[in-house]
Amino acid sequence: DTAVSQTPKYLVTQMGNDKSIKCEQNLGHDTMYWYKQDSKKFLKIMFSYNNKELIINETVPNRFSPKSPDKAHLNLHINSLELGDSAVYFCASSQGTGGRISYEQYFGPGTRLTVT
Amino acid sequence: AQKVTQAQTEISVVEKEDVTLDCVYETRDTTYYLFWYKQPPSGELVFLIRRNSFDEQNEISGRYSWNFQKSTSSFNFTITASQVVDSAVYFCALSEFPGGSYIPTFGRGTSLIVHP
Repeated sequence: DTAVSQTPKYLVTQMGNDKSIKCEQNLGHDTMYWYKQDSKKFLKIMFSYNNKELIINETVPNRFSPKSPDKAHLNLHINSLELGDSAVYFCASSQGTGGRISYEQYFGPGTRLTVT
Repeated sequence: AQKVTQAQTEISVVEKEDVTLDCVYETRDTTYYLFWYKQPPSGELVFLIRRNSFDEQNEISGRYSWNFQKSTSSFNFTITASQVVDSAVYFCALSEFPGGSYIPTFGRGTSLIVHP
C-alpha cells in the first residue's frame, strides 16, 4: 500500500501549457510538501501545507500554485509552463510541525516534467 | 552561504570498502534537527535517520553509522563494508525553527558509486 503517491509519473508538455500534478498520502500526516529537483539533483522546497494552510512559500514563481482539498492531498498546478520548469517534482509528507519537533519526510516517487 | 554543505560531490569505492560521507551545517538555532536521506538510481527518496540538536549520541544501524558533533557542526555518515546496493545519492538535511515552523534545507548531495 503506497504511502505517498503522485500522478502522473511522467509529464511531457509544451511551453505555455497549464498542467497539474496530484499527490496523495495515506499516512495520516498533517504536513505535506512540494520539492523541485533539478538536473544536478539539487532539492529545493517549494511549498509546505499544514492542516490546509500554507506555511512555507519559497521564492517560486506565482505560476506555481498548491491546492489542498483535504489533509491527505496536495496538488501542484503550474500555469504557462516554461522550459526552465523541466525537473523532477517530489511530493512529501510528515507528521505535524506543531511544537518543537521536526519529523522526517516521506517522499512520493516523483514526477518527471519535461517542457518542450 | 549554504546552510548544509556536502563537500564531496561524488565518491567512488570498491565493494567492501568503508566510506564516510561528510555533512557540515550552519545554524544559529539551539534547537534543530538533522536528517540523512538516500536516493538510489530508481529515484525515490528514502529517509535514513533523524537526530535532534540535543542528542549527540552516535547511532549505528547495521552497516550504517552516524557521527554527530556539535563542536564542529558536522553530522557524518559512514557505511561499513560497502555494497553495490549502497550506490545512490545521499542527502543531508537541516531543519530549523526560525518563525514557528520547521523549514528543511537539503545539501546538494553526495553521489556514492560502489563498484563490484
